[in-house]
Amino acid sequence: GQNIDQPTEMTATEGAIVQINCTYQTSGFNGLFWYQQHAGEAPTFLSYNVLDGLEEKGRFSSFLSRSKGYSYLLLKELQMKDSASYLCAAMDSNYQLIWGAGTKLIIKP
Amino acid sequence: NAGVTQTPKFRVLKTGQSMTLLCAQDMNHEYMYWYRQDPGMGLRLIHYSVGEGTTAKGEVPDGYNVSRLKKQNFLLGLESAAPSQTSVYFCASSLHRDLEETQYFGPGTRLLVL
Repeated sequence: GQNIDQPTEMTATEGAIVQINCTYQTSGFNGLFWYQQHAGEAPTFLSYNVLDGLEEKGRFSSFLSRSKGYSYLLLKELQMKDSASYLCAAMDSNYQLIWGAGTKLIIKP
Repeated sequence: NAGVTQTPKFRVLKTGQSMTLLCAQDMNHEYMYWYRQDPGMGLRLIHYSVGEGTTAKGEVPDGYNVSRLKKQNFLLGLESAAPSQTSVYFCASSLHRDLEETQYFGPGTRLLVL
């Protein structure tokens, strides 16, 4: 079956760095997405990886290892506004997104 | 551009009642999707559409129907609501359904079925 695993909740300190891991098993693979979702709001796109390696976008970076079925989202210089849920989603061979349950990130001052 | 909009934002239904959720997008996107989001679970695809006049079943289609009569609108219907359909419903759209194609989400509809 198809499955996405990510931690339920993580806590970090303002100004610090946090890494949110995601492992996936899908029928075929067409890329890995990360979305951010603030409480009560819609998910918004953060990043997309289809090749192995690290993609950097400002304070946020995303890494993919296709052979290990593994990705992580790295958030640097954490700000209070980064408190949100981070959703990992893998695109399968039918271009359908398989979503993880999300990781709730709590930022403490 | 308003992006993706959904109406209503919140609704309370009694078991057995029917309702329609409306999704509209002004980005000329071909693909539209209806998801439900429940605590502790990932977004689950209910139905999707690859273009005007076409619809297809997703992962959890039972109890729902959809229609895409106009390219910009995607309607989700509940014919006879059940408490198990209490959820937050998100509509999304994308230009294509391809590598790297981002889905844009509406603000969600919170549905409570008593």
